[in-house]
Amino acid sequence: EVELLESGGGLVQPGGSLRLSCEASGFRFSNYEMNWVRQAPGKGLEWISHISSSGSIIKYADSVKGRFTVSKDDAKNSLYLLMNSLRAEDTAVYYCARESPYGFGALDVWGQGTMVTVGS
Amino acid sequence: DIQMTQSPSSLSASIGDRVTITCRASQYIGTYLNWYQQKPGKAPKLLIFAASSLQSGVPSRFSGTESGTDYTLTITSLQPEDFATYYCQQTNSAFPLTFGGGTKVQIK
Repeated sequence: EVELLESGGGLVQPGGSLRLSCEASGFRFSNYEMNWVRQAPGKGLEWISHISSSGSIIKYADSVKGRFTVSKDDAKNSLYLLMNSLRAEDTAVYYCARESPYGFGALDVWGQGTMVTVGS
Repeated sequence: DIQMTQSPSSLSASIGDRVTITCRASQYIGTYLNWYQQKPGKAPKLLIFAASSLQSGVPSRFSGTESGTDYTLTITSLQPEDFATYYCQQTNSAFPLTFGGGTKVQIK
């Protein structure tokens, strides 16, 4: 079964750091472009980061640029998001999502999400 | 950045109704438009990609069309399991990728 499983969320103080992980199973992870999308409580979806299958192309939303770093380890079938200088407005459920092999950037497989709460 | 204006933000409908949700792009994006369904506490689910292609396993009552910079998601006969929030997403070559604000479909 094709699956993504996020972990690493939790409560962190403003200015702190957190690393999220997303473990893939059921498909050849190294062949796929991956993204992180977040959703603040009661709000809509916000795309925050993209990494190409090779890892050579990385993109960020302006809201996280310079603070968040996306990476991947194909040997571990895992995607990561290192979040530094966290702010209250980063509080959200964070999803990793796979881009469809049919292209068009469609996100066809999503993890269950991991909650990040920034506060004291 | 490309903005996606989604309307309405919410609607009430009955079982069996035909429901239409619209997204308008701030500039031309071709067929780089996808639709998702999200139920409370769950991850989004891909319904339509490339503006009009039905994702595998999605019921045929869901369909998507495009006209210029306007995109429409139609549910031909609303079923109980369709009450959810729907989002459009543009994935044109220019980042950032952007989602519409969402449309909550509620029971009338």
